[in-house]
Amino acid sequence: EAGVTQFPSHSVIEKGQTVTLRCDPISGHDNLYWYRRVMGKEIKFLLHFVKESKQDESGMPNNRFLAERTGGTYSTLKVQPAELEDSGVYFCASSPLLASTYNEQFFGPGTRLTVL
Amino acid sequence: DAKTTQPPSMDCAEGRAANLPCNHSTISGNEYVYWYRQIHSQGPQYIIHGLKNNETNEMASLIITEDRKSSTLILPHATLRDTAVYYCIVRVGGSQGNLIFGKGTKLSVKP
Repeated sequence: EAGVTQFPSHSVIEKGQTVTLRCDPISGHDNLYWYRRVMGKEIKFLLHFVKESKQDESGMPNNRFLAERTGGTYSTLKVQPAELEDSGVYFCASSPLLASTYNEQFFGPGTRLTVL
Repeated sequence: DAKTTQPPSMDCAEGRAANLPCNHSTISGNEYVYWYRQIHSQGPQYIIHGLKNNETNEMASLIITEDRKSSTLILPHATLRDTAVYYCIVRVGGSQGNLIFGKGTKLSVKP
């Protein structure tokens, strides 16, 4: 079974440009999470989808970030316009929608974003 | 903010047990402790989780104190491939909630 995949693995853009990151969760996983680690900081939660709905977007830093999950499958995270402080590694994770207490989040390899 | 504190780094000899401590003194009664690790340039990987009982799986054991204010992750026979940053996480928001990562412990397994 394929794991969580993210595209691209690396992206280098200039300040002010737009970048779109994509995440394909594990098939059948209704929960999808975005996290990021900026330089020297901890991994921080950005937002959580349940199917196509945003369950929690409390971690989104500002309105330059737009996440979508049309159809409840893959998700995109668009940064427009990108700023220098957006550089970092963006992780996506998915998990099934379970009622049990055990619900492992499976992480993708991340997209390394560099804004020059 | 993360509800856990961990030592920033630890060393362990290959083949020996690695014991990674974590303090979570403000944990609530229904919050679980999760452990993840991140091997260089990969995404975080789930290791184990627990509420109040000790837990063991094929990767590790988790020992939680009776008052639940601290726990220890044990890798029984550390290998070089276990070199990673280990994160102790108190999961809020139930089983669907997001993970709040702290700084973690950088474990270096040495030959």
